[in-house]
Amino acid sequence: AQRVTQPEKLLSVFKGAPVELKCNYSYSGSPELFWYVQYSRQRLQLLLRHISRESIKGFTADLNKGETSFHLKKPFAQEEDSAMYYCALANAGGTSYGKLTFGQGTILTVHP
Amino acid sequence: DAGVTQSPTHLIKTRGQHVTLRCSPISGHKSVSWYQQVLGQGPQFIFQYYEKEERGRGNFPDRFSARQFPNYSSELNVNALLLGDSALYLCASSRDRGRRDSGELFFGEGSRLTVL
Repeated sequence: AQRVTQPEKLLSVFKGAPVELKCNYSYSGSPELFWYVQYSRQRLQLLLRHISRESIKGFTADLNKGETSFHLKKPFAQEEDSAMYYCALANAGGTSYGKLTFGQGTILTVHP
Repeated sequence: DAGVTQSPTHLIKTRGQHVTLRCSPISGHKSVSWYQQVLGQGPQFIFQYYEKEERGRGNFPDRFSARQFPNYSSELNVNALLLGDSALYLCASSRDRGRRDSGELFFGEGSRLTVL
């Protein structure tokens, strides 16, 4: 069975400080990992995915297959980064396209 | 484009009743997925439909069913409601069935169901 674990439900940092949201997964096949974000009063939306290898809003995430992790990082947090962040794993096998397994989420608060 | 739209936004039912939730995907999107989000947890996959066929089912009882119509809109039905069915039900659409696009989902605002 596949599982995504986000060990921190709450994370608080000050503006300008580095931030790291942790995500660990278990999956027997080749994983596709994503970070989704939900800002206050907005819909859940894709932030980034590991196959893109790009930085979005200053955030990056590297897939570490050895440690089965996909931590989200930003060197200098901004107040507008305050949101709920979900790590998600795609079911890359079989015919179940469009299925994501989500972690429990981490609420990030960036203080001024 | 208004994005993925869901109705109703809120509803209250009593135990044993039946509920139907509706979803209209983004124009051009042929895949619709349904998720249940219980307070304090991440979304949990219920169903995925593509071209009107079921392409995936999560670990939910047979009381949960869904279908997709020719215009790609979808309905989620839940029978014999239990208190534990109280949750936010999210619909998400995506354009392609391709493997690389399987994770780029566009979510609606959800239908919040309360079962008393």
